[in-house]
Amino acid sequence: NTKITQSPRYLILGRANKSLECEQHLGHNAMYWYKQSAEKPPELMFLYNLKQLIRNETVPSRFIPECPDSSKLLLHISAVDPEDSAVYFCASSRTGNSGNTLYFGEGSRLIVV
Amino acid sequence: QQQVRQSPQSLTVWEGETAILNCSYENSAFDYFPWYQQFPGEGPALLIAIRSVSDKKEDGGFTIFFNKREKNLSLHIKDSQPGDSATYFCAANDNNAGAKLTFGGGTRLTVRP
Repeated sequence: NTKITQSPRYLILGRANKSLECEQHLGHNAMYWYKQSAEKPPELMFLYNLKQLIRNETVPSRFIPECPDSSKLLLHISAVDPEDSAVYFCASSRTGNSGNTLYFGEGSRLIVV
Repeated sequence: QQQVRQSPQSLTVWEGETAILNCSYENSAFDYFPWYQQFPGEGPALLIAIRSVSDKKEDGGFTIFFNKREKNLSLHIKDSQPGDSATYFCAANDNNAGAKLTFGGGTRLTVRP
C-alpha cells in the first residue's frame, strides 16, 4: 500500500521523544491516528477533518497530533511509557462523516524499552 | 462495556469449507457495518460492508447476513482458501459518531490446506 505512507516503520525508544509521520496520496479530507496493541482491535486516538481536529479520544497528553496540511499527519510523542508499545496506524477517508471507508497505512511499530 | 462483540475469537476451517464469523452489537443507532480484514504486519483493509436497511450483502465469496431485530450479523466466507487466513474485525458506525468506527475484538481465521 503506497497510497498511505508512514514513517518510521519501526521504532525502539527508551523514554525519548519522537514523531511519527504519515502522508496520504488519496485526496482525502479526513485523517486519523489509531493505536493497535497486541491481539486487540484498532482504537481511535485522533480524527482530523479538513485540517481541523474534530475527535480527540481519551489519550494521554504526551501524544500531540499535528495536521500541517490535509494530506499530512504527525503524531508527536514525548516521554514514552512502556504501555505505549503498540502499532500506530494512520488512516484516511474521503470525508469525516459516517459511512466512509477508512484506508489504513502499514503502521509504525513502537517498542518502548 | 463492549458495544460490538465478535465470536468466536479464533476459528479454524479446512480449505473449501464455509467459514462463519459472528458479530453482535448493543447500540440501536448503529447503521453501517463494515468488516475489515487484517494480515499480520499490515493495516486493516475494508473487505465488505452493509447498511442497516439491507439484510444481505454479497461480494465475490463474501456474504454478510444482517438481522436488525436481533442486532447481529455474520460474515460467511465461501470456499475458504489458505490465503483467507487473517484476522477479521466487525465494526459499526452511526451518524451521531461521525466517522468514528467501533470495532469488535476480532476473529482470527485459519484455513488449513
